[in-house]
Amino acid sequence: KQEVTQIPAALSVPEGENLVLNCSFTDSAIYNLQWFRQDPGKGLTSLLLIQSSQREQTSGRLNASLDKSSGRSTLYIAASQPGDSATYLCAVRPDNQGGKLIFGQGTELSVKP
Amino acid sequence: ETGVTQTPRHLVMGMTNKKSLKCEQHLGHNAMYWYKQSAKKPLELMFVYNFKEQTENNSVPSRFSPECPNSSHLFLHLHTLQPEDSALYLCASSRQIGSTGVTDTQYFGPGTRLTVL
Repeated sequence: KQEVTQIPAALSVPEGENLVLNCSFTDSAIYNLQWFRQDPGKGLTSLLLIQSSQREQTSGRLNASLDKSSGRSTLYIAASQPGDSATYLCAVRPDNQGGKLIFGQGTELSVKP
Repeated sequence: ETGVTQTPRHLVMGMTNKKSLKCEQHLGHNAMYWYKQSAKKPLELMFVYNFKEQTENNSVPSRFSPECPNSSHLFLHLHTLQPEDSALYLCASSRQIGSTGVTDTQYFGPGTRLTVL
């Protein structure tokens, strides 16, 4: 059974710091991995999607990497800003299971001015 | 109106009430999903519909009854709920690719915050 774990559960940093969020998954048979952002009481916004054949994806100050064989992904946020404060969720799409996503519990990020 | 919308945004109901959550997508997608997000727990997939047909029921209690009348609308009918059913219910939609069941990125609505008294 696929399980997704995110570390740390919460993180507080001063503005301007570079930071790394971690995601691990137990079964390497994945179709892709996706990072989402969720603001309090709101829905999810997709940030980056990495196909199983890819190693990384970049969008602005965000960079996500994928090491499928070791079951790990990282989300790197450069020059953090208070507006980056949110919960970041990692989700894997297992192979041969259609659109099903398995989510981690998320990392709650707070960026202090 | 664009994207995925959900109504109501907040709902408080008693254990004997019957209510329905509504989701509508304006993206031309053909797959729709219900997720439950409880405090301190990962999002849990509840139901999946592809082309109006239910393709997944993740062992959800029968007090939750989904309905998908067309590819743009998805409902979740609620009856005889328990306090532990209080959560944020999220709807998502995506485009199914080919006939393999694989789908594109899921787009989420803002959710309905449900409180069961």
